[in-house]
Amino acid sequence: TQLLEQSPQFLSIQEGENLTVYCNSSSVFSSLQWYRQEPGEGPVLLVTVVTGGEVKKLKRLTFQFGDARKDSSLHITAAQPGDTGLYLCAGDRGATNKLIFGTGTLLAVQP
Amino acid sequence: KAGVTQTPRYLIKTRGQQVTLSCSPISGHRSVSWYQQTPGQGLQFLFEYFSETQRNKGNFPGRFSGRQFSNSRSEMNVSTLELGDSALYLCASSWSGQANEKLFFGSGTQLSVL
Repeated sequence: TQLLEQSPQFLSIQEGENLTVYCNSSSVFSSLQWYRQEPGEGPVLLVTVVTGGEVKKLKRLTFQFGDARKDSSLHITAAQPGDTGLYLCAGDRGATNKLIFGTGTLLAVQP
Repeated sequence: KAGVTQTPRYLIKTRGQQVTLSCSPISGHRSVSWYQQTPGQGLQFLFEYFSETQRNKGNFPGRFSGRQFSNSRSEMNVSTLELGDSALYLCASSWSGQANEKLFFGSGTQLSVL
């Protein structure tokens, strides 16, 4: 059973378009992290959200944690080819470094 | 500062063999965790070590084991390999392993079981 479902699974867009990736669960998480993974590399942390309703911005990326701490979204404005990669959300339920990863969203931004 | 180093980068084994993967964490990091990544199951937690003690374990069979040395370096071992063990094995380190602490991942070891 996958606790964290991401949608969409795949996304192919043109440079300059906006997009939103969703991460949903029926479980409550203490915090939620977003990672980006490029081919042949390990995931790299983008952001951690901790408080329900929290919004964090990282340049053109906006992350939101749901009020009930069960879901999160990642919005990218004016996507660039450098944004291409696998986006993963990961939740923790308080246990040390035992992250539960989402199913992943593979994003391709065409120039 | 050097990142998390995993060796080897690629490995090909046959069914029934055993394999040992190595992970050197970032200097000063005492927590090392291991994850298995496959196209079908995504990233799944294997186990986490801190100060040479396993603190957390995921839902994997006993064929998967690990250990951590006094210098925080960690190894994981898979015995009696099965075809389904083919995956990218990722190691991640952090200072203390506290929940929501920043994790630094290595580039992984790609294991192929034939």
